[in-house]
Amino acid sequence: QQQVKQSPQSLIVQKGGISIINCAYENTAFDYFPWYQQFPGKGPALLIAIRPDVSEKKEGRFTISFNKSAKQFSLHIMDSQPGDSATYFCAATLFSGSARQLTFGSGTQLTVLP
Amino acid sequence: DVKVTQSSRYLVKRTGEKVFLECVQDMDHENMFWYRQDPGLGLRLIYFSYDVKMKEKGDIPEGYSVSREKKERFSLILESASTNQTSMYLCASSFVDYGYTFGSGTRLTVV
Repeated sequence: QQQVKQSPQSLIVQKGGISIINCAYENTAFDYFPWYQQFPGKGPALLIAIRPDVSEKKEGRFTISFNKSAKQFSLHIMDSQPGDSATYFCAATLFSGSARQLTFGSGTQLTVLP
Repeated sequence: DVKVTQSSRYLVKRTGEKVFLECVQDMDHENMFWYRQDPGLGLRLIYFSYDVKMKEKGDIPEGYSVSREKKERFSLILESASTNQTSMYLCASSFVDYGYTFGSGTRLTVV
């Protein structure tokens, strides 16, 4: 049961372009939405995150847009650089049982061409 | 920086073997997690632990067990390894719920 759906599976963007990755969730109990960035041979690392009471959060070239009514959120990478080439995971979290748990999307492999 | 260390980067095991994957964190985090990562499926939670000797099943616990005898160490055990358990295994820890720190992963191949 996939509670967070992510698209596209892969994305190729020219240097300087905008990369857009989309996610949709089902469970309205989710209350925190992080994005993780993973380079080959490394574990995922937190990139940026948003709470559902905010419609947009920007950190440098990275922006999360959040649409609570549509249960969708997206990551925008402005002025994409070859160093941004990585796998990106959206996630949603809620407190379940005895700890807060992350549910991940399936991942997007981003390639930024020089 | 918080560090989550997984003892092996690569492992090759035979079908039917008992396999131990070890994870150690150095920041006194309460919560520890084991995920497996497969292409197209993202990261799926196997087990987590919110305290010493406490554990809870995640989404895909079948074929796995865990042990947490000390706060800093969380072990994943494959009782009888099978080829469908070939995967990347990621350990993570967290403190006040929101911030997860991941290890670099163990790529397990079962032949």
